Parts: sequence; C-alpha cells; structure tokens
Amino acid sequence: EIVLTQSPGTLSLSPGERATLSCRASQYVYSSYFGWYQQKLGQAPRLLMYSASTRATGIPDRFSGSGSGTDFTLTISRLEPEDFAVYFCQQYGSSPSFGQGTKVEIK
Amino acid sequence: QVQVEQSGAEVKKPGASVKVSCKASGYTFSTYFIHWVRQAPGQGLEWMGAINPGDGGATYAQKFQGRVTMTRDTSTSTVYMELSSLRSEDTAVYSCARGGQVREYYFDYWGQGTLVTVSS
Repeated sequence: EIVLTQSPGTLSLSPGERATLSCRASQYVYSSYFGWYQQKLGQAPRLLMYSASTRATGIPDRFSGSGSGTDFTLTISRLEPEDFAVYFCQQYGSSPSFGQGTKVEIK
Repeated sequence: QVQVEQSGAEVKKPGASVKVSCKASGYTFSTYFIHWVRQAPGQGLEWMGAINPGDGGATYAQKFQGRVTMTRDTSTSTVYMELSSLRSEDTAVYSCARGGQVREYYFDYWGQGTLVTVSS
C-alpha cells in the first residue's frame, strides 16, 4: 500500500497570501495517477487537480500542481475566502490511497 | 448532468450489516467505475474498493476483504455497498464516487455521503 503523508497538517494564512501544500509518497507514484481534492465542512470532496498538474473543469488558475515520483505540491497563488478548506492528495493507481489532509485556515 | 445520489443515514447495532446505495444518472452507467470511500469522524479518506458496473467485477481494499460486497443493478443504474460484521470503528460517512473507464482513474463526481452509525 502506498502511504501518502501531507504537510503541514494545518496552514494558517490570510486572504491574498500564497499557500504551498506538500504530499510525499512512500513509494514511486506515476504523475498520471496523482491528484488533489478540496473538501469543505459537510461537503463531498471536489476534484481540483489530476495527473499531478492538470486542473479539473472549472478550477481557477490560481491553483497549480507540480511534482513527480514521491514528492508533489499543490500551490494556491493568492488565497480567496472560498479557498479555506481541507485539501487531500490522492494516488489513484491499482489500490488508491489518500493523504490525511492539510487544513488551510484563516489566520 | 452527471449526478450520483446516495441513500439516507443508517443506524446499526454491532454485528449487523449495512447496505448503502448509489444511483447514477446523466451518463452511460456501465462504462465508468464506481468507487467507495469512507471518512470516520475527524479523519481522512479511506478507499474501500471499486466496482465495474459493466461486468459487475469488484476489487476490494485488503482491509475490507471478506466484509464488504459491492454489487450493481444495471436496470436502475444503482451500485450497492454492503458492509457486514459492523463494529463501532465503522461509524463513518460512506461515499461513492465516479471513476473512469479504467480502474486507475481520478474520482470526478461524488455522492453526498451516507452517515452510518454503529452503536449498541
């Protein structure tokens, strides 16, 4: 099983600031099989990125993804009020797994 | 438009089974995998398994092997997830999500989640 470890656990930032979220895999993950989700309280997760760096439909360009192998990053260039949420990374290979989440909260 | 709608909340006693449904619409049901994911209170997301609605073949996470069964009804475009021998640790929100035309694919549409509470 591929274990995904996200850091930091919580990110306290102000609107307009840049957010950088990390996800490290316990073994190699093909970029084609890596994605990010956003989840707000009481809601289902929402796909943000797939194939590590491709934005899903309707996702604004302030969101970007990068990385390969075992280290992946989600960057939000300028936080908007609606971006404060929990973010999960995922590898969707033969046995999918998720990171434990990074909470982006208002400072 | 693509929609994935789940059945309502359940309360079960330890040792019982629960069956959650997931009805898909807005696309060709048989051509996209459906995955099940659960989230315990305050915890992260845990993949349970996936079913191919086209042939009914299912793959389960090792943790749930022997306790989970995923089935489908093509006449109603509905997928079911049954979890048996419930224990308190199974209290969670159970969600279905549409995958791709192959199993190794991201999850683009999610159901609203079904809260299953296991309590004596």
